[in-house]
Amino acid sequence: QKEVEQNSGPLSVPEGAIASLNCTYSDRGSQSFFWYRQYSGKSPELIMFIYSNGDKEDGRFTAQLNKASQYVSLLIRDSQPSDSATYLCAVKSSASKIIFGSGTRLSIRP
Amino acid sequence: DVKVTQSSRYLVKRTGEKVFLECVQDMDHENMFWYRQDPGLGLRLIYFSYDVKMKEKGDIPEGYSVSREKKERFSLILESASTNQTSMYLCATTTGYYEQYFGPGTRLTVT
Repeated sequence: QKEVEQNSGPLSVPEGAIASLNCTYSDRGSQSFFWYRQYSGKSPELIMFIYSNGDKEDGRFTAQLNKASQYVSLLIRDSQPSDSATYLCAVKSSASKIIFGSGTRLSIRP
Repeated sequence: DVKVTQSSRYLVKRTGEKVFLECVQDMDHENMFWYRQDPGLGLRLIYFSYDVKMKEKGDIPEGYSVSREKKERFSLILESASTNQTSMYLCATTTGYYEQYFGPGTRLTVT
């Protein structure tokens, strides 16, 4: 079992809809959770982080964390073509190591 | 804003050459990282450093070494480049909260 798992996609969502990206992790002691966006040929860019159970909202983005079920998700409301990218989930483990998932490719269709 | 710069965006080297990739950050962060990213394999940690002259091996250190003589600069060295080291190399720095900020990346091709 991978330490951080994401569905590789591609996930295709119509413009204006909500895109939902999911990530599960194996280390129950994990403390911090991050979402990065990576455009093709570019480096990852931090878009959100969350430490506590529940929801955290930032503009069109909402991160959701459920430590009991060991998953973290990212919702993108009113999806735009510019949201088309690969989204990486990252987890700070109990050993203070940052572990990245392989990413989910998101495509917003006009 | 955190700024992380890398010495080259694209690099082509021959097998057996010694290759230096440099990374510089301007935020006085102590922690710096080198990753490589390959399709289907995601980001893999090569080496990291928590302080000047300090280095720790990551998940795939074989064939690489690093140098950190100054706090703002972290260099990755390929002692004898091989074709299986063709990859995108990403440098990152992190805040105390473990949010990582990446440089633009160096796409290295070894022929």
